Amino acid sequence: GAVVSQHPSWVICKSGTSVKIECRSLDFQATTMFWYRQFPKQSLMLMATSNEGSKATYEQGVEKDKFLINHASLTLSTLTVTSAHPEDSSFYICSASRAGRDQETQYFGPGTRLLVL
Amino acid sequence: GENVEQHPSTLSVQEGDSAVIKCTYSDSASNYFPWYKQELGKRPQLIIDIRSNVGEKKDQRIAVTLNKTAKHFSLHITETQPEDSAVYFCATSGWGKFQFGAGTQVVVTP
Repeated sequence: GAVVSQHPSWVICKSGTSVKIECRSLDFQATTMFWYRQFPKQSLMLMATSNEGSKATYEQGVEKDKFLINHASLTLSTLTVTSAHPEDSSFYICSASRAGRDQETQYFGPGTRLLVL
Repeated sequence: GENVEQHPSTLSVQEGDSAVIKCTYSDSASNYFPWYKQELGKRPQLIIDIRSNVGEKKDQRIAVTLNKTAKHFSLHITETQPEDSAVYFCATSGWGKFQFGAGTQVVVTP
């Protein structure tokens, strides 16, 4: 149990376009979902925390108007990178936690590799 | 904010030897300490975790120890195998959000 999927797994886009990434919890209801960004050979940096039906909480330095997060249901959260630029190229990973005994545990999606040309 | 320091950044061990990775943290409110293994280009996988009411936890060749007074915790891998080669991240959580360490690149040589 506790499987998280992400789509797409990779995307190449032109500078200025918007890209939407989906994160789904397949076999559980996710009380909270998290979005991370990971640059090569670096750690995971939390971008934002989202709860179903409420606005996402962004970390300091993350532009909420550039990285739009929608947590439409208990199994789906989306991240939209608006007006993407080459510096937004990165590995974006979501994670989800569930209510219950292991609510602190985060289960990670497989990641989305974004390349902006 | 919380700061998590992880050492060493790289660790090369001979197959069969033990590997130890250490993390220190600053937020005394932290009460959950997971360790993740990440292979190149893949998702982080939870390998073991410990909560603040426990000092040590073991799962086969992997163990984690926690010293809440000193604010540090360690990952121990015994009898290392080539498939243990990966990047390992420690993390702390006190308010539901994770703060990750910088990662340790572990290379197990046959």
